Amino acid sequence: EDQVTQSPEALRLQEGESSSLNCSYTVSGLRGLFWYRQDPGKGPEFLFTLYSAGEEKEKERLKATLTKKESFLHITAPKPEDSATYLCAVQAAEDSTLTFGKGTMLLVSP
Amino acid sequence: DAGITQSPRHKVTETGTPVTLRCHQTENHRYMYWYRQDPGHGLRLIHYSYGVKDTDKGEVSDGYSVSRSKTEDFLLTLESATSSQTSVYFCAISQNYNEQFFGPGTRLTVL
Repeated sequence: EDQVTQSPEALRLQEGESSSLNCSYTVSGLRGLFWYRQDPGKGPEFLFTLYSAGEEKEKERLKATLTKKESFLHITAPKPEDSATYLCAVQAAEDSTLTFGKGTMLLVSP
Repeated sequence: DAGITQSPRHKVTETGTPVTLRCHQTENHRYMYWYRQDPGHGLRLIHYSYGVKDTDKGEVSDGYSVSRSKTEDFLLTLESATSSQTSVYFCAISQNYNEQFFGPGTRLTVL
C-alpha cells in the first residue's frame, strides 16, 4: 500500500526565514511525485511534478527536490502570501490515481 | 484555472436523503476523480473515471456511486446520506493520468 507522510504538520515562519517541508513516501515503483498548494476554502493548486531521484523544479520562492525516499519543498525568503497548506502526493507506476499526504500548514508572519 | 466547476458549492441535507454532486469540465480531459477532504485525513479518493461509462472505486467508496455519461460530466451520488459523509468534496481532472487539476469544492453538511 502506498503511503505518504508529511512533516511538520504545521510550520510558522517569519517573513524572509527560509525553511523546508518534508514528504516521505513508500510506493511500489514511483511514476511521479506531486506538490500542491491549497488556500483555505479552495481546491488544491498544482505546483510541481517530479519523476526521478535527483530531479529539481523551481517556481518563484519554491524549489522541490526528490530522492528515492523523500521529497523536500524548499521555501526561500517566504512572504505572507506563501501561507497555505502544502500537499504532497505520489503516483505508482501503472496507476492513474494519487495517494496524498495530510499536508503541512505553513504560516508566514510579516 | 482549468475549466472545472462543481455544483452545488454548498449543501445542507438530512440523514437518509439522496444527494447528487456534479462536476463539469470544459477541458476534454479523459480522467475525472472524486475526493473527500476531512480534518486529520487529508484527501481521499472516492471513485474515478477513465472514460465515458468507465469508472472504478477508490479508497473510500462505500455509500457512494458515480456516473459518467458524457466526457464533461461526472456525477457523485450519496444514495442515503449519513452524518459521516459530512465533508468537503473535490472533483479533479487529468489528461494523461499525470498531474490532476482540482475544482473549487462542494461543502456538504448532513444533519
